[in-house]
Amino acid sequence: QKEVEQDPGPLSVPEGAIVSLNCTYSNSAFQYFMWYRQYSRKGPELLMYTYSSGNKEDGRFTAQVDKSSKYISLFIRDSQPSDSATYLCAMSVDTYSGAGSYQLTFGKGTKLSVIP
Amino acid sequence: EAGVTQSPTHLIKTRGQQATLRCSPISGHTSVYWYQQALGLGLQFLLWYDEGEERNRGNFPPRFSGRQFPNYSSELNVNALELEDSALYLCASSLDSYSGNTIYFGEGSWLTVV
Repeated sequence: QKEVEQDPGPLSVPEGAIVSLNCTYSNSAFQYFMWYRQYSRKGPELLMYTYSSGNKEDGRFTAQVDKSSKYISLFIRDSQPSDSATYLCAMSVDTYSGAGSYQLTFGKGTKLSVIP
Repeated sequence: EAGVTQSPTHLIKTRGQQATLRCSPISGHTSVYWYQQALGLGLQFLLWYDEGEERNRGNFPPRFSGRQFPNYSSELNVNALELEDSALYLCASSLDSYSGNTIYFGEGSWLTVV
């Protein structure tokens, strides 16, 4: 079983739809959860950063973490064509604790297309 | 404020050669990370440097190496290139060694091995 599983899509939605992107993971030690957006042939851009369980909202984006189910989600409200990109989830075990820290584990990404 | 910058943008090498990729972190950032994004494999952690020292290394062979300079810029060296080394190599930086969960990526260097 891979540490982080993410449905690769592609996911195609009409403009204005609510988009739900998800990742599951197996390592219960993960405590920090991130979502990155990657446009074609560009570097990933940090969108959301969440510690432990709960929700975090930033504009049209909401990140949810359910550690009991080992499941994280990113919701995009009122989706726009400019949201068309690959979305990557990432997670890590801990903050600085010496050797072994900051080895982010990424999902393979979900490709999203928002159709005008 | 300039983001993470990487060079070259594209690099074509022959199998067995060496490749050198360069990275300049965001101004004020001391930690630099290298990731490989190969087709179908997702982002794989390669190396982490902070204050000139290698702090962590991913599951890659020793022919992947690098260093960080006093100005916090970094280079990644890949020796004895193999075809499967063809990938996008991404450099990222964070403010310091305590901020490694919020890293900011550059645009990457595309390495093609023929």
